[in-house]
Amino acid sequence: SQQGEEDPQALSIQEGENATMNCSYKTSINNLQWYRQNSGRGLVHLILIRSNEREKHSGRLRVTLDTSKKSSSLLITASRAADTASYFCATVPGGSGNTGKLIFGQGTTLQVKP
Amino acid sequence: DAEITQSPRHKITETGRQVTLACHQTWNHNNMFWYRQDLGHGLRLIHYSYGVQDTNKGEVSDGYSVSRSNTEDLPLTLESAASSQTSVYFCASSEIGTSGGARWAETQYFGPGTRLLVL
Repeated sequence: SQQGEEDPQALSIQEGENATMNCSYKTSINNLQWYRQNSGRGLVHLILIRSNEREKHSGRLRVTLDTSKKSSSLLITASRAADTASYFCATVPGGSGNTGKLIFGQGTTLQVKP
Repeated sequence: DAEITQSPRHKITETGRQVTLACHQTWNHNNMFWYRQDLGHGLRLIHYSYGVQDTNKGEVSDGYSVSRSNTEDLPLTLESAASSQTSVYFCASSEIGTSGGARWAETQYFGPGTRLLVL
């Protein structure tokens, strides 16, 4: 079963606006990662946030993690047309039984209109 | 710069044929993964390897096999291609964090993908 579930499934905004995507998961995690996928391309890693962290920034990206609610959000500020892509969260289960795999959600498709 | 490459990028084959997709990484990562991506299913793990001579089944391993004879390569073989295996295939590699017997995935680096059509 999918560990990470993104919300919304699709998002359309105007250039310059902020975009927020959410990810919920079911079990404890070691870390949570966000990836971007441009159409027809491979996934590109954006940010990794560990279970003991609450917020991380990278350029125009801000990721928050709330382990009590088992949720994370990705905020893209001042969006650009080039941000148009699908965004995936991937969770890394915690605990000694973890086998080092990522579990991907189904993604949010973001369209940024110029 | 380190990279991960896949070949071929596009492949058309017929049902029943054996097909091998290549994956090569120069990150010197011990851990390598194969995923398939289909509409409505996201990325699903097919097989993975934690090092030379190590292979493990993922959630959708039926009809696929891998072998790991060196650090750089993890070829994926479809033993007898089926139309249900039409998909986009991604290879990835990563480091693994370890502590006290536990292990966890760190950042994964993905190849550009192989589009496979089985007729």
